[in-house]
Amino acid sequence: NAGVMQNPRHLVRRRGQEARLRCSPMKGHSHVYWYRQLPEEGLKFMVYLQKENIIDESGMPKERFSAEFPKEGPSILRIQQVVRGDSAAYFCASSPFTGQDSGANVLTFGAGSRLTVL
Amino acid sequence: ELKVEQNPLFLSMQEGKNYTIYCNYSTTSDRLYWYRQDPGKSLESLFVLLSNGAVKQEGRLMASLDTKARLSTLHITAAVHDLSATYFCAVDSNTGNQFYFGTGTSLTVIP
Repeated sequence: NAGVMQNPRHLVRRRGQEARLRCSPMKGHSHVYWYRQLPEEGLKFMVYLQKENIIDESGMPKERFSAEFPKEGPSILRIQQVVRGDSAAYFCASSPFTGQDSGANVLTFGAGSRLTVL
Repeated sequence: ELKVEQNPLFLSMQEGKNYTIYCNYSTTSDRLYWYRQDPGKSLESLFVLLSNGAVKQEGRLMASLDTKARLSTLHITAAVHDLSATYFCAVDSNTGNQFYFGTGTSLTVIP
């Protein structure tokens, strides 16, 4: 089991370019979460997706950010027209199920994608 | 929005000493998670606490949950250098849609 795979691990973009971050969940996991971590800060929830559906995007900035999790292929977090403030580590996590009655919902995290905007 | 607060934010302790990290959260939830993050690395799950009074132990770490007080503790016994890392607690929403993470406690164990 390869775990949660994120790529690229490191990405450098100039202001105004686009960044695409990919996440393949663990085998058998159909729920994907994206988090952003600024240097020396905690994790901030961005978006929660299931296959072909965005369930909760309340943590996503209203502009320039979008996420998808297609039927086939990885989940993608897309940042358009990047600015320096977008520089951060972006973590993807997956889980097999969710919901109050489902018991523990342990997230398995990927290694993260570190975006640097010049 | 659910808030999760940890203290202390930074902790420097000598090897062999004991200490406790506290995690307070602002709404009712009976599912509390502890994660560890090494510098530049991802988060690793340490403990899952699913009910009031739950206690889990692994090596020199012990976690407990008091849902009535909305408080979890992570106790470190006889610290060793390998425990140096940042520790996060997290609570999930009642819908399970979101996980709210604490600010993290950066632990440094010095010889």
